[in-house]
Amino acid sequence: QKEVEQDPGPLSVPEGAIVSLNCTYSNSAFQYFMWYRQYSRKGPELLMYTYSSGNKEDGRFTAQVDKSSKYISLFIRDSQPSDSATYLCAMSVPGANNLFFGTGTRLTVIP
Amino acid sequence: GAGVSQTPSNKVTEKGKYVELRCDPISGHTALYWYRQSLGQGPEFLIYFQGTGAADDSGLPNDRFFAVRPEGSVSTLKIQRTERGDSAVYLCASSLRAASGNTIYFGEGSWLTVV
Repeated sequence: QKEVEQDPGPLSVPEGAIVSLNCTYSNSAFQYFMWYRQYSRKGPELLMYTYSSGNKEDGRFTAQVDKSSKYISLFIRDSQPSDSATYLCAMSVPGANNLFFGTGTRLTVIP
Repeated sequence: GAGVSQTPSNKVTEKGKYVELRCDPISGHTALYWYRQSLGQGPEFLIYFQGTGAADDSGLPNDRFFAVRPEGSVSTLKIQRTERGDSAVYLCASSLRAASGNTIYFGEGSWLTVV
């Protein structure tokens, strides 16, 4: 079993829809949780960063962490065609130097 | 430069050849990482440098892979006797200090194809 599980999709939604992306994990020591966006043939770009449980909002993006369920989510409101990309969740343990990534979910927002 | 710079952006090599991939981190970042991303997968950790030393090389798949950072800035990932299974995107990243609690920034990757 991988430490981080993520549905690879693909996921297609109409423009303006609310998108929900999710990851589950098995290592209860994870404390730092991140969402990266990766456009085709580009490197991952950090979108959201949260520590421990709770919600964080930044514009149209909201990240949620539920440590009791070992489940994290990214919500995108009013989705735009420019949001079409692969979304990767990542997490790390305090004091560790490496990130554990999910496989990524490929999202297409249709105009 | 403003971001993490990687060269070459694309490399096609024959099986058995030696390859070097270069990474120039964000200026002032002491921590540098190499990750490998296969098609349809998330990045997987290879090695981490703090300054000049490899502080954690637990992700290197075998002894054909080696990385250096001699002056604490630019890093080179070296792959000997390349195999077709080495085909992937090799991503370099850097952060101000160690990853834990600090944001890491990725380059655009070196796309390696072994034929």
